[in-house]
Amino acid sequence: AQSVSQHNHHVILSEAASLELGCNYSYGGTVNLFWYVQYPGQHLQLLLKYFSGDPLVKGIKGFEAEFIKSKFSFNLRKPSVQWSDTAEYFCAVNAMDSNYQLIWGAGTKLIIKP
Amino acid sequence: KAGVTQTPRYLIKTRGQQVTLSCSPISGHRSVSWYQQTPGQGLQFLFEYFSETQRNKGNFPGRFSGRQFSNSRSEMNVSTLELGDSALYLCASSWGQADEQFFGPGTRLTVL
Repeated sequence: AQSVSQHNHHVILSEAASLELGCNYSYGGTVNLFWYVQYPGQHLQLLLKYFSGDPLVKGIKGFEAEFIKSKFSFNLRKPSVQWSDTAEYFCAVNAMDSNYQLIWGAGTKLIIKP
Repeated sequence: KAGVTQTPRYLIKTRGQQVTLSCSPISGHRSVSWYQQTPGQGLQFLFEYFSETQRNKGNFPGRFSGRQFSNSRSEMNVSTLELGDSALYLCASSWGQADEQFFGPGTRLTVL
């Protein structure tokens, strides 16, 4: 069965630090990849997505992610975090072979210290 | 464009009762998915409907059921509620099955 792993469940950073959140998936076929964010008290919303093309994807609020097919990874990055980036971040994957059911990682809670 | 709406937003029930939650997707979206979110388990997939047909189903007991209407609105039902069913139930809609999902605010269910 497909699975998505987010290695860090909790991350604490200071403002202006660089961020990288790991996401690995277990599926050998063609996949669509997503990062969602849930700010405190708000809806889940899409940060960025990768369907095809340039493996470096830029999203909202200065976030980007790189799809590395050989490593089955889709890590999320931001060069300089802000206090307002405090949120929970979810990686998700779907594939045609599994009827496009979206498989979710467990989430990473990010706390930015002002 | 209006977002995904879910009603009610909050619900308190007692064990053994049943509950029906409603979701109205974004206009034009044909796919609706339901998730259970709890602090310890993260997002757990319940089921997905596309054009009134259940396309995918998660690993939940038969007490959890759902349906989708011709206008794409969806309902989920939980019968014989248990304490462990207390959670935030999220609905998400998308244009097609492979596309990004747009989430509603959720229904907070508390079972006493």
